[in-house]
Amino acid sequence: DTGVSQNPRHKITKRGQNVTFRCDPISEHNRLYWYRQTLGQGPEFLTYFQNEAQLEKSRLLSDRFSAERPKGSFSTLEIQRTEQGDSAMYLCASSGDRGRGSYEQYFGPGTRLTVT
Amino acid sequence: AQTVTQSQPEMSVQEAETVTLSCTYDTSESNYYLFWYKQPPSRQMILVIRQEAYKQQNATENRFSVNFQKAAKSFSLKISDSQLGDTAMYFCAFTGAQKLVFGQGTRLTINP
Repeated sequence: DTGVSQNPRHKITKRGQNVTFRCDPISEHNRLYWYRQTLGQGPEFLTYFQNEAQLEKSRLLSDRFSAERPKGSFSTLEIQRTEQGDSAMYLCASSGDRGRGSYEQYFGPGTRLTVT
Repeated sequence: AQTVTQSQPEMSVQEAETVTLSCTYDTSESNYYLFWYKQPPSRQMILVIRQEAYKQQNATENRFSVNFQKAAKSFSLKISDSQLGDTAMYFCAFTGAQKLVFGQGTRLTINP
């Protein structure tokens, strides 16, 4: 198992464009989380899935943001009509649902978004 | 709402010294989990150590140990025999078993 992977690693886009990020969790993990991290700050929770069900969304997740996990495996995070304030590192994490692993989250390398 | 506070924005020690990073949290939950994560420069977040709130014994992982004071809602990380590779941002995090709530982080620099 190679851990959580995210693509792309870096994305530069112009304001107003749409962007989509992908996260592939650890294969046996059924919980998947998205966080946003701005420079010098701790990550902030955006949303999480258990299998394909989106169970919680932060108020940070405006209507320009949408996340999906259609088959309970990989997930996508789309930002529509990007704004400069969306510039951040977008982190994905996954965890299992049984025993100790149900609360330990393992992070991917992140996608750094720059909106110009 | 749960909150996590790290009061030391930056710390710097010499290699081989011991360093302690502070963390306090606030929650009304009785069952929860606490973590320290390490984020090296331009690299991904790594889980360093975990503590279950129902366990009285402090967690230890090699050179890393915690001092968990449940009544005081304090969860500090001690790094013994610090190494250059310990240079990183360290984040304290809390969960009630779903989303993680992170502190602001402490930038730790180990000097040769």
